[in-house]
Amino acid sequence: GEDVEQSLFLSVREGDSSVINCTYTDSSSTYLYWYKQEPGAGLQLLTYIFSNMDMKQDQRLTVLLNKKDKHLSLRIADTQTGDSAIYFCARGKLIFGQGTTLQVKP
Amino acid sequence: DTGVSQDPRHKITKRGQNVTFRCDPISEHNRLYWYRQTLGQGPEFLTYFQNEAQLEKSRLLSDRFSAERPKGSFSTLEIQRTEQGDSAMYLCASSLDGREDEQYFGPGTRLTVT
Repeated sequence: GEDVEQSLFLSVREGDSSVINCTYTDSSSTYLYWYKQEPGAGLQLLTYIFSNMDMKQDQRLTVLLNKKDKHLSLRIADTQTGDSAIYFCARGKLIFGQGTTLQVKP
Repeated sequence: DTGVSQDPRHKITKRGQNVTFRCDPISEHNRLYWYRQTLGQGPEFLTYFQNEAQLEKSRLLSDRFSAERPKGSFSTLEIQRTEQGDSAMYLCASSLDGREDEQYFGPGTRLTVT
């Protein structure tokens, strides 16, 4: 989806925080989402945020939404090797970004 | 219910052949979606059904592609006269009516056209 963009790769050490960023152009969506895809598996919905919220926290996950800048981020606290996957930002009727590969080094 | 299932998981076919994929959604979900994902890209929406009615089709869905959901349960996606550019992962998802924000995805069918 050209109107949803993400950086392609992020590498962190186990125990550090990871921050995955996403920008979008169409601000009409009611929801914005983060999905996780592990090798050989389908997409798993991690979390979503309503467009009228600025922040949502769910255990180790924190989603920040800056509507003015059309910027969405996903912070994973205490990143574990099991968090290694591709993370997709999506909006609306599921227009996806191209995905960010998160590599967690032990 | 064990979630959305897709069959086959992998398909290798020669250019010009027809292929058909099947998706079984979560049983109480009346919405079913098809997506295509190519390497290094996010999934792209193809089409969706509400019960047996196909309500929306992307411009990506050329006339070689046809999807059906005859009884409002499982769905099939057929590609006729396959081309190498059709090689991709085909993902199916389902949701409750009005809950397109909460789609559950199947594992996908990986198609390789040689």
